[in-house]
Amino acid sequence: DTAVSQTPKYLVTQMGNDKSIKCEQNLGHDTMYWYKQDSKKFLKIMFSYNNKELIINETVPNRFSPKSPDKAHLNLHINSLELGDSAVYFCASSPTLNSPLHFGNGTRLTVT
Amino acid sequence: AQRVTQPEKLLSVFKGAPVELKCNYSYSGSPELFWYVQYSRQRLQLLLRHISRESIKGFTADLNKGETSFHLKKPFAQEEDSAMYYCALHPSGNTPLVFGKGTRLSVIA
Repeated sequence: DTAVSQTPKYLVTQMGNDKSIKCEQNLGHDTMYWYKQDSKKFLKIMFSYNNKELIINETVPNRFSPKSPDKAHLNLHINSLELGDSAVYFCASSPTLNSPLHFGNGTRLTVT
Repeated sequence: AQRVTQPEKLLSVFKGAPVELKCNYSYSGSPELFWYVQYSRQRLQLLLRHISRESIKGFTADLNKGETSFHLKKPFAQEEDSAMYYCALHPSGNTPLVFGKGTRLSVIA
């Protein structure tokens, strides 16, 4: 009964490939997020969706495209992967934008 | 612009010693502040928030608006406290949580 689940847990792929990371939450929250944690453990917001609508889109290359088919899902698709995309990507959700976040376990992406 | 500063990347203390993880923020409004913790190979989780004024796992944090600080404290560190700690600021409106760069706490037996 994991609250925020991400798949896959690990993703190893070559430069230039396209990959997706899926996220689902069963908490009934309205808001979902993607954060990137780099090798120095710095956490940076990438996107936020509220009720399937994009509300925050930070300075992220347009190779990254979030998709929210419904309120419980926020997937992240990455085109033309680059070495610098290697990081841990965390999905999170919250009841509203102003509430504490519930994080998934993270997806460790390694681009070779 | 909102900013959260955690000046220490790494903090090592002996078991039983007091711990203070520093956090300073920059925000012109009334902030809402949090501490999140990430244990080894686990997800980030909320540790405490300033409006709750509670103690979780022996940790407390007091918001000091004069010093714009929200330091995390524990009187006696335990080995299981070893983790990454992130201070976070929630500005008002449709603005996401802003995280500090994190401090790795290492409690030595």
